[in-house]
Amino acid sequence: EVQLLESGGGLEQPGGSLRLSCVVSGFTFSTYAMSWVRQAPGKGLEWVSFIGPGGLTTYYADSVKGRFTISRDNSKNTLYLQMNSLRADDTALYYCAKTGQMDVWGHGTAVTVSS
Amino acid sequence: DVVMTQSPLSLPVTLGQPASISCRSSQSLVSSDGNTYLNWFQQRPGQSPRRLIYKVSNRDSGVPDRFSGSGSGIDFTLQISRVEAEDVGIYYCMQGTHWPRTFGQGTKVEIK
Repeated sequence: EVQLLESGGGLEQPGGSLRLSCVVSGFTFSTYAMSWVRQAPGKGLEWVSFIGPGGLTTYYADSVKGRFTISRDNSKNTLYLQMNSLRADDTALYYCAKTGQMDVWGHGTAVTVSS
Repeated sequence: DVVMTQSPLSLPVTLGQPASISCRSSQSLVSSDGNTYLNWFQQRPGQSPRRLIYKVSNRDSGVPDRFSGSGSGIDFTLQISRVEAEDVGIYYCMQGTHWPRTFGQGTKVEIK
């Protein structure tokens, strides 16, 4: 069974940093692209970032470009999202999803940016 | 960016009756590989999104056959042939052809 488990969320002050992780199982992680998608409280879905299977290809939403970095460790079956210079509007539930077409989703990890 | 526009945004339906959600993109979703990457997701209350349909009309594994997708180019539709109570939630279309990926605003399906 394919499973994605996010962690690393929490409460952080504006300007601070967090690193989210997504540990996967049930498929050959190294052969699949991965995505991060977020959902602000009571709002819709917003795509955040994409990484190719080897980690060399990455894309970002304009809203996070230059502040967030997506990466992966294929030896650990783990996807990451390094979030720097956090702002209040980064407050959201962050989901990792398998592939660029998001065929399987995790349960999400909550990030709150507030002073 | 490609803008995805869904309608209606709220859809009250009677159990057992059909339902239809429209999604229009601001530009063609036909990819250079010839595929059209238009996906539909369901988000039940308190749950993560779940993909229902990929490449316009292909149902994901385990998705009931009462769900169907259709369309081409810039106009797409998700249909539920007979709404059941478990179908309550928010439905999103998403284009997977262009960067950045973009979602529709979501359509809230509720039972009358």
